[in-house]
Amino acid sequence: DQQVKQNSPSLSVQEGRISILNCDYTNSMFDYFLWYKKYPAEGPTFLISISSIKDKNEDGRFTVFLNKSAKHLSLHIVPSQPGDSAVYFCAASGTSGTYKYIFGTGTRLKVLA
Amino acid sequence: KAGVTQTPRYLIKTRGQQVTLSCSPISGHRSVSWYQQTPGQGLQFLFEYFSETQRNKGNFPGRFSGRQFSNSRSEMNVSTLELGDSALYLCASSLGASAKNIQYFGAGTRLSVL
Repeated sequence: DQQVKQNSPSLSVQEGRISILNCDYTNSMFDYFLWYKKYPAEGPTFLISISSIKDKNEDGRFTVFLNKSAKHLSLHIVPSQPGDSAVYFCAASGTSGTYKYIFGTGTRLKVLA
Repeated sequence: KAGVTQTPRYLIKTRGQQVTLSCSPISGHRSVSWYQQTPGQGLQFLFEYFSETQRNKGNFPGRFSGRQFSNSRSEMNVSTLELGDSALYLCASSLGASAKNIQYFGAGTRLSVL
């Protein structure tokens, strides 16, 4: 049972445009969400996080939106750059869970120059 | 500051063998978590150690075990290897045990079971 879902395995975007990566979760006990970026042959790198008490968090070109009622979060990258081409994982955590993070299956973003 | 170091980077084993993977966390980090990454499955949580104690465990068979030493270094062991154990094994460290302590990942150990 996949508690964190990234339904789009891949996404292609033109350089300079907005990239929107989506993530859905099923467990209402999740209260902390993160996005990680992964390049080939490297470990995932933390990008941005959001607590369930917020609905938006911004860091430079990256903004994460959280819609608790829809159990949905999204990552916006504006403007997209070729160096953003990577696999993006969303992750969720709950304070009462028996796990640290539950990760989605990832979305491969390709930014075209 | 050195990042999370995992050794070895690559391993080839045959079915039935056992394997030990090593992880050195970032200096000062006391929590170490292990994940398995396979194509189409994302990162699946194996276990987490904090101050030498296993705090959390994922849904993996008992063939997967781990431990943490007093210097926070951690090892993961897989016994009686199966073909399905072929994967990238990632280690992550964080300052503390709270989920809000960001996890920093190593580059992983790629295990191939033949």
